[in-house]
Amino acid sequence: GAGVSQSPSNKVTEKGKDVELRCDPISGHTALYWYRQSLGQGLEFLIYFQGNSAPDKSGLPSDRFSAERTGGSVSTLTIQRTQQEDSAVYLCASSSGQSNNEKLFFGSGTQLSVL
Amino acid sequence: SQQGEEDPQALSIQEGENATMNCSYKTSINNLQWYRQNSGRGLVHLILIRSNEREKHSGRLRVTLDTSKKSSSLLITASRAADTASYFCATEKYDYKLSFGAGTTVTVRA
Repeated sequence: GAGVSQSPSNKVTEKGKDVELRCDPISGHTALYWYRQSLGQGLEFLIYFQGNSAPDKSGLPSDRFSAERTGGSVSTLTIQRTQQEDSAVYLCASSSGQSNNEKLFFGSGTQLSVL
Repeated sequence: SQQGEEDPQALSIQEGENATMNCSYKTSINNLQWYRQNSGRGLVHLILIRSNEREKHSGRLRVTLDTSKKSSSLLITASRAADTASYFCATEKYDYKLSFGAGTTVTVRA
């Protein structure tokens, strides 16, 4: 696609429910990132994919968080048994992955609200 | 943990004035990047400066990098209302992962 697409743009859920957030990166981009941004804060790194592999999962806050990427394209971030502190904007970004001097292209994010 | 820290946290200027914000970081880096965020959603890349570079320009933007002081600055000249946004620095340490600071919120008054 022309840009990084994330869905849904907004998600309201009840505490304890599971949610899935989707990211469709720019076509041909092998590197994909998930970040989380709480209100008024900077970006917190969650996970990085190169192709379908996740060499760095160090930022996932707990085992309730998981992510996968299939076909080297679409990625899904799943949060199980959501808690109120999970409320944030979840941002996805991609890059061509050819070197480590590249800019990231960001999607518009998913605003997650856990009631 | 955040690698970069921006200063100031917030900045209010008159249209036409210049805006300067700074970023400090803790460990050696491969490159440093600046991003802009409008309305708390997607970030837009502004400029990338490599560790062996000292200054880069892009339109009304000027970025400097001082690796001895582990700091960078972003200058926006002749500001416009459309420059109102949050600005983030991000550092990359040869590991493909960008670490972002908390950002500087810039308000340009008409």
